[in-house]
Amino acid sequence: KAGVTQTPRYLIKTRGQQVTLSCSPISGHRSVSWYQQTPGQGLQFLFEYFSETQRNKGNFPGRFSGRQFSNSRSEMNVSTLELGDSALYLCASSYSLGVDNSPLHFGNGTRLTVT
Amino acid sequence: AQSVSQHNHHVILSEAASLELGCNYSYGGTVNLFWYVQYPGQHLQLLLKYFSGDPLVKGIKGFEAEFIKSKFSFNLRKPSVQWSDTAEYFCAVIPLTGRRALTFGSGTRLQVQP
Repeated sequence: KAGVTQTPRYLIKTRGQQVTLSCSPISGHRSVSWYQQTPGQGLQFLFEYFSETQRNKGNFPGRFSGRQFSNSRSEMNVSTLELGDSALYLCASSYSLGVDNSPLHFGNGTRLTVT
Repeated sequence: AQSVSQHNHHVILSEAASLELGCNYSYGGTVNLFWYVQYPGQHLQLLLKYFSGDPLVKGIKGFEAEFIKSKFSFNLRKPSVQWSDTAEYFCAVIPLTGRRALTFGSGTRLQVQP
């Protein structure tokens, strides 16, 4: 069974630009969560999608948005990029909603660098 | 909002030494607790979890953790570490009610020297 796939692996963008990251969950998984990992803040929850609906949201500005498609694939978009958005963005999938109902499976992440 | 503290940022041990990594959380209600591990070059994976019952839980690769409710702690232990345990370890909590977001600690980098 293929794992969680995130594309691209690396991305370099300029301040003010926007970026879209993609996540393909494990086959059969319907929940996708996104996390931002930085050396200073650690792992922070962005949002969780289940059945194409955002079910939970972290404390990030509206510049961070996401969506989930009918095949459970998810995209995350960051608009008007700031230097502080440089981070590793991790996607995790699970069979059902809620990390306690089924374990999270993480991807290897997309490393975004904003210059 | 809940928060998770991991006081040890970097731990260096020799093989066969005992390990204890601290994790404290701040939240007024009931939480479920997790330890995740990230081996070099690999993705994050679940090490163990505690939901209820026996406060001493066992995970993969000989790891265990003890939930002490009165201390809001969920420390990770292993009696004898191996070089292959070199990794970064993250404690995480999720409340049972309210905004059900998984909150991670800042992580502890464990380096085991052969």
